[in-house]
Order: sequence, then C-alpha cells, then structure tokens
Amino acid sequence: QKEVEQDPGPLSVPEGAIVSLNCTYSNSAFQYFMWYRQYSRKGPELLMYTYSSGNKEDGRFTAQVDKSSKYISLFIRDSQPSDSATYLCATIANAGGTSYGKLTFGQGTILTVHP
Amino acid sequence: DTGVSQDPRHKITKRGQNVTFRCDPISEHNRLYWYRQTLGQGPEFLTYFQNEAQLEKSRLLSDRFSAERPKGSFSTLEIQRTEQGDSAMYLCASSDRQALTYEQYFGPGTRLTVT
Repeated sequence: QKEVEQDPGPLSVPEGAIVSLNCTYSNSAFQYFMWYRQYSRKGPELLMYTYSSGNKEDGRFTAQVDKSSKYISLFIRDSQPSDSATYLCATIANAGGTSYGKLTFGQGTILTVHP
Repeated sequence: DTGVSQDPRHKITKRGQNVTFRCDPISEHNRLYWYRQTLGQGPEFLTYFQNEAQLEKSRLLSDRFSAERPKGSFSTLEIQRTEQGDSAMYLCASSDRQALTYEQYFGPGTRLTVT
C-alpha cells in the first residue's frame, strides 16, 4: 500500500463547478501537506501549503487537512478551463531529523474543466 | 527568470548507453532534490543534496545511478547502462533551508526515452 493514496480520476466538470480533490495517507509522521498542479509535460507547480490540521484559503482554492482521519482535500470554486491539469497531493514528515523535506506524492488526479 | 532549469528537456537514447542530466536550482536555495515520475504516477523521491553533500538516497537509486552537486550549485544525475525501465520524467526541485516552509520549486523536467 502506498503511503499517500489519490484517486487518479479522470475528473471532468463544467466550467463554474466546484471541484473536490482528495487524498488519504497512512503515515502519522506526515505534518506538512501540499497541493501541486502539473500541466502536461511540465514540472509540478506549488499551489497550496498547510501545516497540520485545518483549512487554508487562497483565492478560488481551499485546502483542508484532517489529521484525525488522515484525509487531505483541495476545493476549487468557480472552476475554469485553465484549471485543467493534474493535481498532486504531497506530504512531508517531521520538519527536522532525517526527512530532509522530501516529498511523498499521491498518484495525481487528472482534471478537465470544459467550457 | 530565476526558476529551476533543467537540461536537456528531452533525451532519447538506446538501451545500454549512458546519459547525464543537469539541474540548475534557484540561486539562493541550498537544498536540491531529484525525483522520477513515470506516466500516470506522482513523482518519486530519488536523492537529496544539502549544499554539496548528498544526504539521502532512495532505494530506487540503483548502483547505475549517480548524482553529484559539486560546489553546492548545479547538480548532475547520470544513468549508466540505461534500461527501458529507466524511461521517465526526471525532475529536479530546490528549496531554501532558511525558509520557514518547506516549499520545493520544480524545474520543467528531463524526459528520458530508452529505446
């Protein structure tokens, strides 16, 4: 079993829809949670970053972390065709020690927003 | 542009040949990571440098793989005796150890095809 599980989709929604993307993880040591967006044949781009449980909002994007259930979510409001990409959740274990900040990624969810 | 750059962007090689990739991180970042991403999967950690010291290597990094970061600036990843299973996108990322967060910034990747 992978340490971070993510439904690969694909997910297709109409423009303006609310999109919900989710991941689960198994390692309790994970403390930092990120969402990356990756366009086709490009490197991942950092979207959101949260520490521990709670919500974080940035424009149309909201990230949620529930450490009690080991569940990570990203919500996209008023989705746009330009949001069409692969969305990757990622985690980091303890900040210090031997984690060195290496990221553990989910499989990625392919999202298409059609006009 | 002061982002992470990688060269080449694409490499096609025949099985058994050696290849070398280069990564230039963001200039003030002392942490450098290599990841490998296969089709339909999230990136997987390969190795980590802090300045010129290689502090961690994944078990994915077989003895055919070697990475260096002389003088703590650019990094190279060499694959010897390439195999078809090495075909993947090789991603480099950098981060600033002094930053309060552990945000990693990715380059565009080098896509390797082994024929």
